[in-house]
Amino acid sequence: QKEVEQNSGPLSVPEGAIASLNCTYSDRVSQSFFWYRQYSGKSPELIMSIYSNGDKEDGRFTAQLNKASQYVSLLIRDSQPSDSATYLCAVNKRGGNNRLAFGKGNQVVVIP
Amino acid sequence: GAGVSQSPSNKVTEKGKDVELRCDPISGHTALYWYRQSLGQGLEFLIYFQGNSAPDKSGLPSDRFSAERTGGSVSTLTIQRTQQEDSAVYLCASSPMMIAGGRETQYFGPGTRLLVL
Repeated sequence: QKEVEQNSGPLSVPEGAIASLNCTYSDRVSQSFFWYRQYSGKSPELIMSIYSNGDKEDGRFTAQLNKASQYVSLLIRDSQPSDSATYLCAVNKRGGNNRLAFGKGNQVVVIP
Repeated sequence: GAGVSQSPSNKVTEKGKDVELRCDPISGHTALYWYRQSLGQGLEFLIYFQGNSAPDKSGLPSDRFSAERTGGSVSTLTIQRTQQEDSAVYLCASSPMMIAGGRETQYFGPGTRLLVL
């Protein structure tokens, strides 16, 4: 079982719509969860972090965490062409080194 | 207010040669990470440095890979006898002092794109 799974293929959404991305993780005691955005040819940049069950909103982004289901999601409201990127889900590994385990990412294409 | 910097930005080498990749973390950040990202793949953890503690080398794929961090700042990732499967983007990240629960943000550098011919 992979540490972090993002199974959806490329997601195309019309401008102004909601993009929904999902991620599951295998380590039940993981405590910290992150969404990174990566534009083509660029390095990842953090857009959301979430640590407690429930929703966390920041502008047009909402992260949702359900530790019982080992599930974290990202919603992008009012999608803009500038949101077109790959979104990486990352989960903090338990143990001393705090390294992040990343999913393979979901590509989002916002169609004007 | 410089971010994480990496050099070179691109490196083309021949199979069997050694390469050195450099990372300058954000000033004052105590933690430094190396990741590898192959085409179409997520980030693969390689090695982690935290202050003066022994590094976590658990992600290094083979003994051809090594890394050091001098003076708690600059880090060098060395790949000996490069192979074609080593071709990837090598990303460095740094974060400030460890926070309980792993909540500290990792800031990524622009990466080094390595191509082994």
